[in-house]
Amino acid sequence: QVQLVQSGAEVKRPGASVKVSCKASGYTFTGNNIHWVRQAPGQGLEWMGKIKPSDGSTTYPQKFQGRITMTRDTSTSTVYMELTSLRFEDTALYYCAETRSDYWGQGTLITVSS
Amino acid sequence: QAVVTQEPSLTVSPGGTVTLTCGSSTGAVTSGHYPYWFQQKPGQAPRTLIYDINNKQSWTPDRISGSLLGGKAALTLSGAQPEDEADYYCSLFYTGVSVFGGGTKLTVL
Repeated sequence: QVQLVQSGAEVKRPGASVKVSCKASGYTFTGNNIHWVRQAPGQGLEWMGKIKPSDGSTTYPQKFQGRITMTRDTSTSTVYMELTSLRFEDTALYYCAETRSDYWGQGTLITVSS
Repeated sequence: QAVVTQEPSLTVSPGGTVTLTCGSSTGAVTSGHYPYWFQQKPGQAPRTLIYDINNKQSWTPDRISGSLLGGKAALTLSGAQPEDEADYYCSLFYTGVSVFGGGTKLTVL
């Protein structure tokens, strides 16, 4: 069956970086874009960007440019999202998703705390 | 960045019909915005209900449909069921970048 399995929860200090992985299985990894979406506690969804697994091209919204990097490893069907210079307000549940086909990861909780 | 607007909350009676809308600060929503609709229930990951205006997932109930209506994207639920109670988010596409609306909390009561 189709799965997007994300790495586990992490606690980070302000200013640190975090890298979340998302391993795909059960479908053609190089098909549609994979998006990263986050949700702060009690808040709505926020789009963080997308990566095209076939060629690794990325698109980020202006808000995250310079602080976010998405990469992929086609040999393991895994995409990665790295966020640097973490702030308290980056505390959220982070999801990877192939939204067109409704494939979602289980979410990764990133907590930024001193 | 464009702002996408949704009703913060709506209530529908069981068996009733409700329309959720998704507007854009840049003007009318068109097919070029490739509207998506997502459903999220408490404690769960979001799910993609509809993509590109009105294309459904295999699990999307027939009573739920997407459209363009009055310059906005719209999600219509006909014959609302208790299980339709959820948060609904739309997203619009702007030259490579997607933007989510703030979400609509739908109560079936």
